Amino acid sequence: AQSVTQPDIHITVSEGASLELRCNYSYGATPYLFWYVQSPGQGLQLLLKYFSGDTLVQGIKGFEAEFKRSQSSFNLRKPSVHWSDAAEYFCAVVRGAGGSYIPTFGRGTSLIVHP
Amino acid sequence: EPEVTQTPSHQVTQMGQEVILRCVPISNHLYFYWYRQILGQKVEFLVSFYNNEISEKSEIFDDQFSVERPDGSNFTLKIRSTKLEDSAMYFCASSELQPDTDTQYFGPGTRLTVL
Repeated sequence: AQSVTQPDIHITVSEGASLELRCNYSYGATPYLFWYVQSPGQGLQLLLKYFSGDTLVQGIKGFEAEFKRSQSSFNLRKPSVHWSDAAEYFCAVVRGAGGSYIPTFGRGTSLIVHP
Repeated sequence: EPEVTQTPSHQVTQMGQEVILRCVPISNHLYFYWYRQILGQKVEFLVSFYNNEISEKSEIFDDQFSVERPDGSNFTLKIRSTKLEDSAMYFCASSELQPDTDTQYFGPGTRLTVL
């Protein structure tokens, strides 16, 4: 079965600092990969997704993620964090073609931004 | 921008009571989903719905749960006899196309508290 690991429960950064949120997945083939953000009281909003092609994916709000097959990782990055980025971030994996299309989510990483 | 809406935002009920959680998906979307998130845990898939029938469901979605699209706009999740462990945030989502390649748009969630 596919699984997703987000090893960091909380991450604290200063405003303006760079950010990297880790995500590792367990699945034999190349899955489809997603990052979602959840602000307090809001639903999940898609930041970016990877299906195939260029392994560096650009998303909304200045986020990007890089798929590394050798490390089974799909880490989310942002060069300069804004206070409004404080939220919960979820990585998700879908098996893709031929498999279940239902996403498996990680436990989430809570981002705290200090002024 | 069109969005998924959910009502109520918070539902408190007594154990054993029936609850109905309501969702209005984005109007031109064809695929609908329910997820839940127990406090502090990961988002879990419950069920997907397409063409007026369940297309996939998880182990969580047992006989106590049912879904319905009673009209052209609403999508509901019913829990027949609530248990304490049903307390969670319930998210509705929808997508225009099949979910393995298309983005799922999430609603803000309904927080269900079972006393």
